[in-house]
Amino acid sequence: QVQLVQSGAEVKKPGASVKVSCKASGYTFTRYGISWVRQAPGQGLEWMGWISAYNGNTNYAQKLQGRVTMTTDTSTSTAYMELRSLRSDDTAVYYCARRGEMATSSYYYYYMDVWGKGTTVTVSS
Amino acid sequence: DIQMTQSPSSLSASVGDRVTITCRASQSISNYLNWYQQKPGKAPKLLIYAASSLQSGVPSRFSGSGSGTDFTLTISSLQPEDFATYYCQQSYSPPYTFGQGTKLEIK
Repeated sequence: QVQLVQSGAEVKKPGASVKVSCKASGYTFTRYGISWVRQAPGQGLEWMGWISAYNGNTNYAQKLQGRVTMTTDTSTSTAYMELRSLRSDDTAVYYCARRGEMATSSYYYYYMDVWGKGTTVTVSS
Repeated sequence: DIQMTQSPSSLSASVGDRVTITCRASQSISNYLNWYQQKPGKAPKLLIYAASSLQSGVPSRFSGSGSGTDFTLTISSLQPEDFATYYCQQSYSPPYTFGQGTKLEIK
């Protein structure tokens, strides 16, 4: 079945970096993008960006520009999200999700149709 | 950035009730609107995409409507497993922002 398996929980100190992995299975990895979404404790969902697994093109949320890098390894069907210069407000559950699409004659509709279980990242001194 | 505002923020209802959640965009997003359900400690689940298209496997009691700036998610007859938090998300232009969520609780 289609699934995304994320790496385990991380505890980091302020100023450090974290790299979360997301391994896809059950579908052709390069036919879809991977989006990243995070959720701070007790808060709502925040879209971080996405990467095309086909050509590596990325689109990041402006507020994370310069601190986040999303990559893929097509040989292992794995996506990665690295966040640098961590702060306490980066403490959150980080989700990867498959970027599904529906094409019409004129438009493409994008959505997140398969999600990983999430990776808890705690930033604390 | 496009701001998404959901109402109400929380809602109490009973099994069997018909429930409607509203999502408003700060500018027109055509029908580039998705709805997700999230239960505590779990990843979100896609319910509706393109404002009104039901995701495969999602029960038909869920429906979505709207276009432009105003959208609704309707649950026609609440079931015990529907008590959760619901989020709208625009996919019109990045950043693909979410609403703040609507927590649906048992009355």
